[in-house]
Amino acid sequence: DTGVSQDPRHKITKRGQNVTFRCDPISEHNRLYWYRQTLGQGPEFLTYFQNEAQLEKSRLLSDRFSAERPKGSFSTLEIQRTEQGDSAMYLCASSLGQGISKNIQYFGAGTRLSVL
Amino acid sequence: GQQVMQIPQYQHVQEGEDFTTYCNSSTTLSNIQWYKQRPGGHPVFLIQLVKSGEVKKQKRLTFQFGEAKKNSSLHITATQTTDVGTYFCAGFGSGTYKYIFGTGTRLKVLA
Repeated sequence: DTGVSQDPRHKITKRGQNVTFRCDPISEHNRLYWYRQTLGQGPEFLTYFQNEAQLEKSRLLSDRFSAERPKGSFSTLEIQRTEQGDSAMYLCASSLGQGISKNIQYFGAGTRLSVL
Repeated sequence: GQQVMQIPQYQHVQEGEDFTTYCNSSTTLSNIQWYKQRPGGHPVFLIQLVKSGEVKKQKRLTFQFGEAKKNSSLHITATQTTDVGTYFCAGFGSGTYKYIFGTGTRLKVLA
């Protein structure tokens, strides 16, 4: 068990609906990442938080995607007006912080989204 | 933008044979990490390389970072069925906070 929790594990939704995922990182990890992974591909970077600040967001991410980490602990990823192309595994990872020994990413089990 | 490619995409080996996957970045990296993802699982950290030309070993696994810090390799000696999974490299570039994951090499070990 890596300690990063994601909820829900699976989400089935109809096209056009909004969905929200939650990630609880390992306690005291101040860096949090969201990735998207489709079958046969590597994790694709979506966004990154240092504590509560969102420091980087993928240019590939449409305006329908938003992420928050209001208190620097858990994070949420919302997708508005879902499309079938949003179907994927959404992975969250956390790391302790800056520095070579502190930037190991620990991944959660992911949330699998299916858009019908 | 930065791209990280891995070859081969798939590799099937007989148990006991060696396996190597190669990772190539379009830009110079600050450091590189390797992860293993079992079927149905999530990526699990294996190792991090920082220095140019660095070589690290973990039991049957040998990791190398190229002199130019643009490529890396993972070599597994005498594969076992427990080595099955997809191996990803993830490169960290300068001027960014993000790791770019490679396309992965899926290893299948035949008993």
